[in-house]
Amino acid sequence: GAVVSQHPSWVICKSGTSVKIECRSLDFQATTMFWYRQFPKQSLMLMATSNEGSKATYEQGVEKDKFLINHASLTLSTLTVTSAHPEDSSFYICSARALATDTGELFFGEGSRLTVL
Amino acid sequence: GQNIDQPTEMTATEGAIVQINCTYQTSGFNGLFWYQQHAGEAPTFLSYNVLDGLEEKGRFSSFLSRSKGYSYLLLKELQMKDSASYLCAVMDSNYQLIWGAGTKLIIKP
Repeated sequence: GAVVSQHPSWVICKSGTSVKIECRSLDFQATTMFWYRQFPKQSLMLMATSNEGSKATYEQGVEKDKFLINHASLTLSTLTVTSAHPEDSSFYICSARALATDTGELFFGEGSRLTVL
Repeated sequence: GQNIDQPTEMTATEGAIVQINCTYQTSGFNGLFWYQQHAGEAPTFLSYNVLDGLEEKGRFSSFLSRSKGYSYLLLKELQMKDSASYLCAVMDSNYQLIWGAGTKLIIKP
């Protein structure tokens, strides 16, 4: 199946710093990538939908200025958590929909666990 | 509102069969997904149903009834590695995925 690579897998940072997470589709082109956040013992929550070459669409309650999303190419989307605080500590997961698929199947990255001290 | 319901937790015995149910109410329907998630890992795709009926894939099968807003995931010949959370998700008319809270499946020897 298609592969989505997410980096870094683990990141620990100090409060107030910014962290960038990359999501790459390795063997397919993805016009749309999705960013999710999962807090412990809760379901995945969609944060934003990232479309190549255009601005991301954010879900209600997600601050666009805090969670910067850039989808510069058909194989790469990045999520930058700006001025991170301890409450931003979470599991961040990206997924991508292949350009040619008609099933709507999503392929998920491995996830990035962010801990803000 | 949009809603996905599935049991919080289920327990089954190694080698047995277990059925995890999912009911949904969404604005539109573009398919139902089942994902498996082991603790601390990203979900992995198991199945996709968009038409009524049963889809079989090895030890796992998924069933859909659109008229009833109902799906189930059937796991046969359970193995210890099947202990995980199973997430039901529905794609609505806007192609947004609406996620259930997941069913934690515990397999006992």
